[in-house]
Amino acid sequence: EDKVVQSPLSLVVHEGDTVTLNCSYEVTNFRSLLWYKQEKKAPTFLFMLTSSGIEKKSGRLSSILDKKELFSILNITATQTGDSAIYLCAVTNFGNEKLTFGTGTRLTIIP
Amino acid sequence: DAGVIQSPRHEVTEMGQEVTLRCKPISGHNSLFWYRQTMMRGLELLIYFNNNVPIDDSGMPEDRFSAKMPNASFSTLKIQPSEPRDSAVYFCASTLGVLVQPQHFGDGTRLSIL
Repeated sequence: EDKVVQSPLSLVVHEGDTVTLNCSYEVTNFRSLLWYKQEKKAPTFLFMLTSSGIEKKSGRLSSILDKKELFSILNITATQTGDSAIYLCAVTNFGNEKLTFGTGTRLTIIP
Repeated sequence: DAGVIQSPRHEVTEMGQEVTLRCKPISGHNSLFWYRQTMMRGLELLIYFNNNVPIDDSGMPEDRFSAKMPNASFSTLKIQPSEPRDSAVYFCASTLGVLVQPQHFGDGTRLSIL
């Protein structure tokens, strides 16, 4: 059974700090790893990673995948209060299309 | 562009009643997913459809849960009879399943069974 573990479970930092969120996985026939941000409603898509070592970047957010060590990190620089959310990591395999999610990291940014 | 549309947004009902949740996927998407989110278990996949056909329903908790997708633009998740432990947020998501594409989520239905 596919498994995703995220750490830390929660994180509180001050505005302007840089944070690193971790996601490790065990997947049979790995296809992709995805990061989502969830505020009050629906998870919104951030990144999809399929290849090792290639950084994906969007503004202050970036992510990278290590398929050898089976983990990914999500970095947020110069954090803002609007970054407060639950960040979810999920994986897919080539057997089907379903996402297996981790329990998420709850990030709180203090002004 | 219209995203995934779910209804109702909130549902409060008494134990034993039938509950029907509805989802309209993004136009052109051919895969649809139903998830349940709770504090204890996080986001769990219940069932998913590809081209209106159920592909994997291994996450459906028990026979009280059923899902249908009569056409490409509509799906329902039904709980009958409902129980308090079914209280959760239920999300629908869709994707264009041919290529490696991310799933897009609706805003969810917050279900409370009293």
